[in-house]
Amino acid sequence: DAGVTQSPTHLIKTRGQQVTLRCSPKSGHDTVSWYQQALGQGPQFIFQYYEEEERQRGNFPDRFSGHQFPNYSSELNVNALLLGDSALYLCASSLAANTEAFFGQGTRLTVV
Amino acid sequence: AQTVTQSQPEMSVQEAETVTLSCTYDTSESDYYLFWYKQPPSRQMILVIRQEAYKQQNATENRFSVNFQKAAKSFSLKISDSQLGDAAMYFCAYHYGGSQGNLIFGKGTKLSVKP
Repeated sequence: DAGVTQSPTHLIKTRGQQVTLRCSPKSGHDTVSWYQQALGQGPQFIFQYYEEEERQRGNFPDRFSGHQFPNYSSELNVNALLLGDSALYLCASSLAANTEAFFGQGTRLTVV
Repeated sequence: AQTVTQSQPEMSVQEAETVTLSCTYDTSESDYYLFWYKQPPSRQMILVIRQEAYKQQNATENRFSVNFQKAAKSFSLKISDSQLGDAAMYFCAYHYGGSQGNLIFGKGTKLSVKP
């Protein structure tokens, strides 16, 4: 079992650009959640996808959007990047029925 | 809104000794889950221990145990017989309702273990 895998591992983008991050959930999991972890902070919940729809959303602007595919993998898109978007982006997968969330190793995004 | 507070930015413990990390939270819900996650330099969040609020018995996982005080909204983690591999960031987290993917985290405590 490969667990939760995220790609890429690191990414450098220029302010104003757009970025797409990818996540493959743990085998058997149907729910994917995304988090933003700024340096020295705890992760903050961005949104959660289930059955290809956004089910819950945290306090993030519309520049942050996502998608879930029929195979349960997910993408996080961020438009019009700001310097403040520089962070570690974590993906977590789980089962809809209230089970443990498993995390990937994250994508380190640097906006310059 | 639910919040999670970790008041100890950094802690240090001698190898083989015991250390307690503190966490308080605020919620109006009566049924919820609390977690401690470990984040080593590899960045991957690893679940250390989980506590269901409706259970009065404190959760235990080998060297890790919690002191859950529901009325005081306190959830501390005790690490016994500390090992060098325990050095990491520790995050307290709260969850209410639905899949446990939508967690609210504290700011973390950096634990150092001295040989």
